[in-house]
Amino acid sequence: GAVVSQHPSRVICKSGTSVKIECRSLDFQATTMFWYRQFPKQSLMLMATSNEGSKATYEQGVEKDKFLINHASLTLSTLTVTSAHPEDSSFYICSARVGGQPQHFGDGTRLSIL
Amino acid sequence: GEDVEQSLFLSVREGDSSVINCTYTDSSSTYLYWYKQEPGAGLQLLTYIFSNMDMKQDQRLTVLLNKKDKHLSLRIADTQTGDSAIYFCAESSGDYKLSFGAGTTVTVRA
Repeated sequence: GAVVSQHPSRVICKSGTSVKIECRSLDFQATTMFWYRQFPKQSLMLMATSNEGSKATYEQGVEKDKFLINHASLTLSTLTVTSAHPEDSSFYICSARVGGQPQHFGDGTRLSIL
Repeated sequence: GEDVEQSLFLSVREGDSSVINCTYTDSSSTYLYWYKQEPGAGLQLLTYIFSNMDMKQDQRLTVLLNKKDKHLSLRIADTQTGDSAIYFCAESSGDYKLSFGAGTTVTVRA
């Protein structure tokens, strides 16, 4: 149980492109979803917290206009990296939780901007 | 903010026990977690412990919590090559946001 699916697993695109990443909870309805960014050989950095039907809460220093989060249902949240540039290249990971349960993570999306 | 620290590297012989240590500073931590990350993958929840518990055992995994010293450890018995990965310690309090340590890279040698 508690499976989180993230898609796509890898994206390579040109600078200026907008990229959408999907995060789905497959066998449970997620109260909250989280988006993280991970740089090579570093820990996870929380970008934003997303609750279904409400605006995402962004961490300090994360540009909300750059990283658009939509949480349309209890099983789907999307992160759109708008007008991506090489410095946005990173490993993006989502997680989902319900009630008092731990966060369960997707397999991540490797984003490479050329 | 919350601070979670753990050693960066651990090398262990196959069949031996591994012990990964973690310290945290937030006295209001409610839950403490251990996650495993293999190369190019997301995080897999291994186990977690409520802050009013001292120990939790799940098959080869044993978690010890010393709340007074704010020290958490993960022991992996009979370590196998498949246990080679990065292990993250994390804590959360009331808002369920996770604060992660930097991760311990465990290398299992034959």
